Amino acid sequence: GENVEQHPSTLSVQEGDSAVIKCTYSDSASNYFPWYKQELGKRPQLIIDIRSNVGEKKDQRIAVTLNKTAKHFSLHITETQPEDSAVYFCAPLNSGGSNYKLTFGKGTLLTVNP
Amino acid sequence: DAGVTQSPTHLIKTRGQQVTLRCSPISGHKSVSWYQQVLGQGPQFIFQYYEKEERGRGNFPDRFSARQFPNYSSELNVNALLLGDSALYLCASSLWGALSGNTIYFGEGSWLTVV
Repeated sequence: GENVEQHPSTLSVQEGDSAVIKCTYSDSASNYFPWYKQELGKRPQLIIDIRSNVGEKKDQRIAVTLNKTAKHFSLHITETQPEDSAVYFCAPLNSGGSNYKLTFGKGTLLTVNP
Repeated sequence: DAGVTQSPTHLIKTRGQQVTLRCSPISGHKSVSWYQQVLGQGPQFIFQYYEKEERGRGNFPDRFSARQFPNYSSELNVNALLLGDSALYLCASSLWGALSGNTIYFGEGSWLTVV
């Protein structure tokens, strides 16, 4: 099965700085790479995703980059704001597999200090 | 992603009891998956159902079962509850994802506490 690792497990930045979270995965057949944001007591919320035929995708202050050869993808948040504070999960998926299953990393706790 | 609805939102059960959790997917979505999220960890895949058939099962004991109805809603059942079953149970909805990588949306979850 898929093995997913996220780094770092915790990240503290000053407001306005950038934050980068990296996710490595083991299944070379993975072809869909989402990032979820989960605030305390809330559900995971999709913030950005990328398909395997694209190397980078940007949505305002958030971007995701994918390196399929090295089997890792990263979340980049620029101009961080206190409301970005949350736990972020990567969850690669192989949509050609027998089931449609997200395998979550252990999460990264991002704290943005005002 | 606002369309996945789950009930109940919170419940407390005693060890050994049984629980049923319910989920309605986003209109038009035919796939429903269930995930368990224990405090401090990422969600873990339990089941996926598509067109009323089980398409995948995670590493969970037989005490966990689920089904999908003709209207694509789903129920998750857990028998003989253990303290370790205390978790947030998330329902996820999507179109069938083969070859297209359809987005998966989560409901607000059902918080289960076993005492």
